[in-house]
Amino acid sequence: NAGVTQTPKFQVLKTGQSMTLQCAQDMNHNSMYWYRQDPGMGLRLIYYSASEGTTDKGEVPNGYNVSRLNKREFSLRLESAAPSQTSVYFCASYPSGGSPLHFGNGTRLTVT
Amino acid sequence: GEDVEQSLFLSVREGDSSVINCTYTDSSSTYLYWYKQEPGAGLQLLTYIFSNMDMKQDQRLTVLLNKKDKHLSLRIADTQTGDSAIYFCAPRGANNLFFGTGTRLTVIP
Repeated sequence: NAGVTQTPKFQVLKTGQSMTLQCAQDMNHNSMYWYRQDPGMGLRLIYYSASEGTTDKGEVPNGYNVSRLNKREFSLRLESAAPSQTSVYFCASYPSGGSPLHFGNGTRLTVT
Repeated sequence: GEDVEQSLFLSVREGDSSVINCTYTDSSSTYLYWYKQEPGAGLQLLTYIFSNMDMKQDQRLTVLLNKKDKHLSLRIADTQTGDSAIYFCAPRGANNLFFGTGTRLTVIP
């Protein structure tokens, strides 16, 4: 009963390096989301995917790209990491209607 | 987007009731959620209320919704030390949940 799985759990990058955050869900949900959480600011939406093959920008998309590889997987890529991208990143999935979002446990990213 | 506001901190004594308040701006939100986040963990759904309801009770949790004032509250009865966490109010928009800053609840033994 894994739910939403994110890898890695922790990552340290140097400014300018690139990396991909992975997210997979085993609940057959249509929609998937990437949020970032910063102290005192709640969660802000980076990108979302309403269904396989579609992606849309959220509130803070600059500096990120996403890929909805298949129904299960939704990855977030930082092409050239910046210290302002130091944050905790959460992936979530959602079936439809009024059902709640299901969250992964987060990836803690530090950019030095 | 929607603005969601919560107080940052709340301290209560063990056994007392806790009330966490939230105000939001988008009156078209159909579902309003409460999530709990423990240190180092993801967000866990606590409860939610549909916008045509005024109140929902779920064991120790009571959610009150004043749609006219766009005010949502979460009451935790008989608060325990295990309830210490950050609580997020999250109204649902068309394609997204909008999160407040979260209220850090500290339970004093």
